[in-house]
Amino acid sequence: DAKTTQPNSMESNEEEPVHLPCNHSTISGTDYIHWYRQLPSQGPEYVIHGLTSNVNNRMASLAIAEDRKSSTLILHRATLRDAAVYYCILNGAGGTSYGKLTFGQGTILTVHP
Amino acid sequence: GAGVSQSPSNKVTEKGKDVELRCDPISGHTALYWYRQRLGQGLEFLIYFQGNSAPDKSGLPSDRFSAERTGESVSTLTIQRTQQEDSAVYLCASSRSIGSGANVLTFGAGSRLTVL
Repeated sequence: DAKTTQPNSMESNEEEPVHLPCNHSTISGTDYIHWYRQLPSQGPEYVIHGLTSNVNNRMASLAIAEDRKSSTLILHRATLRDAAVYYCILNGAGGTSYGKLTFGQGTILTVHP
Repeated sequence: GAGVSQSPSNKVTEKGKDVELRCDPISGHTALYWYRQRLGQGLEFLIYFQGNSAPDKSGLPSDRFSAERTGESVSTLTIQRTQQEDSAVYLCASSRSIGSGANVLTFGAGSRLTVL
């Protein structure tokens, strides 16, 4: 399985932008890059996904490197409610079980008031 | 319903007892997944159902674990002869099947299992 590497933790101040990096140097051509987050005592929640082009939605932006070996999740203005574990995941390797997502340890984001 | 529903939300059982955990996926979602999350740990994949295809059971940790799904609806995860190491939150997710890595999973709130 293609793997991702994320920092264990990051900190931010409220209302500041947050850039969460992810390395996926062994990504294959059919892999989509997905981000999920898990708030305390809740199940994971979908944030955003992309294949090659940068993506924006109401929650965040996803910047994908041209060689696709890395990506960055951007929260434009962090709020206290954004404090969570953020998972960067590759979905779709090799035409096998799509959605059989492999969750790593993720990045613990702390947001300071 | 609007989301993935799991029951019970909390279950406390004695070592050696059997437990059943239920998942109601989002209507129209043909794919259903079970994950386990031990305290302070990441998610471990357990099993994956896709339509009428044979389930992917590659993540089940032992033969004490089994899961069934009726058509494209409810799924039940059964743990027989529970052990203390089975204590965890069991998460269910569902998704549409769109034949690529663009499918998005919607997770339930989980069932917290405590084995005494």
